[in-house]
Amino acid sequence: AQSVTQLGSHVSVSEGALVLLRCNYSSSVPPYLFWYVQYPNQGLQLLLKYTTGATLVKGINGFEAEFKKSETSFHLTKPSAHMSDAAEYFCAVSPRDKIIFGKGTRLHILP
Amino acid sequence: SQTIHQWPATLVQPVGSPLSLECTVEGTSNPNLYWYRQAAGRGLQLLFYSVGIGQISSEVPQNLSASRPQDRQFILSSKKLLLSDSGFYLCAWSGVAAPGDTQYFGPGTRLTVL
Repeated sequence: AQSVTQLGSHVSVSEGALVLLRCNYSSSVPPYLFWYVQYPNQGLQLLLKYTTGATLVKGINGFEAEFKKSETSFHLTKPSAHMSDAAEYFCAVSPRDKIIFGKGTRLHILP
Repeated sequence: SQTIHQWPATLVQPVGSPLSLECTVEGTSNPNLYWYRQAAGRGLQLLFYSVGIGQISSEVPQNLSASRPQDRQFILSSKKLLLSDSGFYLCAWSGVAAPGDTQYFGPGTRLTVL
């Protein structure tokens, strides 16, 4: 069965520090992988996605993620956190027939 | 480009009252459509999805129903709301215009049942 695990329901980083949000997946077929961001009382916005090809994927707002098949991971990073990055982040996997979302990680930015 | 609309944005309803939430997509044809619910601290729960007019699949048994009367219109309904129906309802679409199974989400409807 396919699944997504996001490590840490809450992550706090200082403004200007590295952001690292962890995501591990389980899939019986080569997956498509996604990161979405949700700001309060808004819908989910696609940050980036991996389908095929280059394993390092760059997204909007300076975020990137690397697909590591051997580790079944798709961690999200940003070199320098900004106050506007405070939001909830969802990792998701698509084994072709539907998207399965993780439970989300709320990112807090400390001044 | 494609756009997805949801209304109303917020709704406060008494227990036992009916519900109708609407979602429409512009700029694409024959999209796959989805209804999700977010309850506090519980992530995203897929409620219904549709691959075409009149074709609805339900993911979980519940007090809600969905209909797709037109290609780009998806409606979430209930005859009698329960307190547990409170939450943030999100509509999403995917399809040939969104390769890699990407889903694009609407702005959501905040439903409070009192």
